[in-house]
Amino acid sequence: NAGVTQTPKFQVLKTGQSMTLQCAQDMNHNSMYWYRQDPGMGLRLIYYSASEGTTDKGEVPNGYNVSRLNKREFSLRLESAAPSQTSVYFCATLLGFGSPLHFGNGTRLTVT
Amino acid sequence: TQLLEQSPQFLSIQEGENLTVYCNSSSVFSSLQWYRQEPGEGPVLLVTVVTGGEVKKLKRLTFQFGDARKDSSLHITAAQTGDTGLYLCAGAEGSNYKLTFGKGTLLTVNP
Repeated sequence: NAGVTQTPKFQVLKTGQSMTLQCAQDMNHNSMYWYRQDPGMGLRLIYYSASEGTTDKGEVPNGYNVSRLNKREFSLRLESAAPSQTSVYFCATLLGFGSPLHFGNGTRLTVT
Repeated sequence: TQLLEQSPQFLSIQEGENLTVYCNSSSVFSSLQWYRQEPGEGPVLLVTVVTGGEVKKLKRLTFQFGDARKDSSLHITAAQTGDTGLYLCAGAEGSNYKLTFGKGTLLTVNP
């Protein structure tokens, strides 16, 4: 089983360009999350989807949009990338309340 | 929004030493999790604590959840170089699915 798969692994964008980060899971988990990780800042929640058909804002949602396409897939879109969005982005899934988060290996995004 | 404070931010010790890292908040958590992250990878769960005062042991690692469920600690006995990594705590309030992380403690164990 692949678990949580993120694509692409690396991406370089110019300021103002748009892109979509993809996340797919094969664990049949209900909840999915997008975090960003910056040096000294830990993991900050961007958006999450508690179940298929719902999405909610996290701590740092500005500049991002999400789509829970189906139970397996949760995408993160940057409509107009900014240098402040340079970060490592992690997708995670959760079976249910109290169970552990399962993370992908991240997408490393640089915006110049 | 709950705030999770982890301390220390950085810790560098020699192999064989003991250490404790802390995770504190003014909020009450229904559950708190500890993760370990290695470079280039996503975090991996070490333990989940849910009951105030709970103590869990995982080989040389001991986790404690505060009686009031606002804080937690991770103690490592006789640290090994393989313990090197970023240790993160994460908490959930009530039955909320919004899991919030602390900034982490970067542990380096030197041979």
